[in-house]
Order: sequence, then C-alpha cells, then structure tokens
Amino acid sequence: DAKTTQPNSMESNEEEPVHLPCNHSTISGTDYIHWYRQLPSQGPEYVIHGLTSNVNNRMASLAIAEDRKSSTLILHRATLRDAAVYYCILRGNDYKLSFGAGTTVTVRA
Amino acid sequence: NAGVTQTPKFQVLKTGQSMTLQCAQDMNHEYMSWYRQDPGMGLRLIHYSVGAGITDQGEVPNGYNVSRSTTEDFPLRLLSAAPSQTSVYFCASQGADTNSYNEQFFGPGTRLTVL
Repeated sequence: DAKTTQPNSMESNEEEPVHLPCNHSTISGTDYIHWYRQLPSQGPEYVIHGLTSNVNNRMASLAIAEDRKSSTLILHRATLRDAAVYYCILRGNDYKLSFGAGTTVTVRA
Repeated sequence: NAGVTQTPKFQVLKTGQSMTLQCAQDMNHEYMSWYRQDPGMGLRLIHYSVGAGITDQGEVPNGYNVSRSTTEDFPLRLLSAAPSQTSVYFCASQGADTNSYNEQFFGPGTRLTVL
C-alpha cells in the first residue's frame, strides 16, 4: 500500500485557518486521497476525499498538488471542537483504509 | 438511523478467557470491518467482510475470529484473550452505492483490558 507522511502535531489559534500537509510520493493513479479525523475518545469520522481536483465541503477543503504527490487539508476557521487527530489515507479500489499515526491538532482559545 | 453500534463499551478479561465483541449497523452497508487501536497509534485492520458469508483477514488477524451471517451484524471473537490484545476496538461499515461508497462510518469503540 502507498504510504503517507504527516507531521506529528500542529497548533492553531481559534478562528484561524489550519493547513495540514500530507506527502504521498508513491501514490498510484487510481488512489483517492481521504482524510478522516478522530476526536478524543471517539471513532474516526470522514472529513473529505479527492482524486485530482481541489474539493470543498462543509467541514474542510482539500488542495491536491498537480503531480498528486502531496495534498493539504484546510480547516478555514478552527474551533475548539476541531481539536483531533487527522489522518491522511490513500484508498485504492477496495474498501480498506490504512491509518498512520496522523497529525494531532491542538486549538488554542 | 442508529448508525454503527458496538457493545460492550468496556470489558475486562482475564488471560485465557474468550468473548465476543458485538457490532451492528442499520444502514444496509455491504462492507464491515474491525480495527484495533493501541495507545498513541493509528487504527490497524483486523478482519473485514464485503457481504454476508464473506470474510477476509486484515493486517493483524491472529487471535481473532469473525463471521458474517447477516448484513447487519459482524461480531468479533477473541478465542483466548492475551494481555497483548488490550486495546480499543472499532467497528466500521461502508455502503457500495454512489452516495455512501466514499465514507466509512465508525462505531464508538469497545475498550478492552486483558489482565
């Protein structure tokens, strides 16, 4: 499975944007880029996914590099409820998700 | 919809005991899976199923059994509990149709301690 590389942790102030980078230099042409987050003491929840084009939804935006070897999850205005571990995952044509250690996001009030 | 439900929430076992972790979903999803999460780590896939009667091994299947007799239920059995199986266990499900194919839904987890 293609792997992803994320920083261990990031800090942000409340109501400021957060940019979470992810490197995936061995991504294949059929891999989708998925992001999940895990709030404290909860199961992971889906955030967003994309293939080649940038994507927006109510939770976040996903910016994908033109060569697809990296991507950035953007939380436009961080709130205290966004404090979580964020996982960048490459998903092929099956259902399986492979979780790394993720990035722990801390939001300061 | 209740989504993905897991029981029990907490469980303490002694080494060598067996037990079954229950998982159910009410979204008619074809795909279900079990993960374990050790402290400070990401989730690791134990077993998964793409439909009733079909199961397969994930990354860390040893010491666990699964079966899928209905679409709704996917129990995980610990045959002979060991302290190394102390972990938080998450069940997840996902649909095959266009609207649900891209999102896996996770349960709240079962926190298991083996003494």
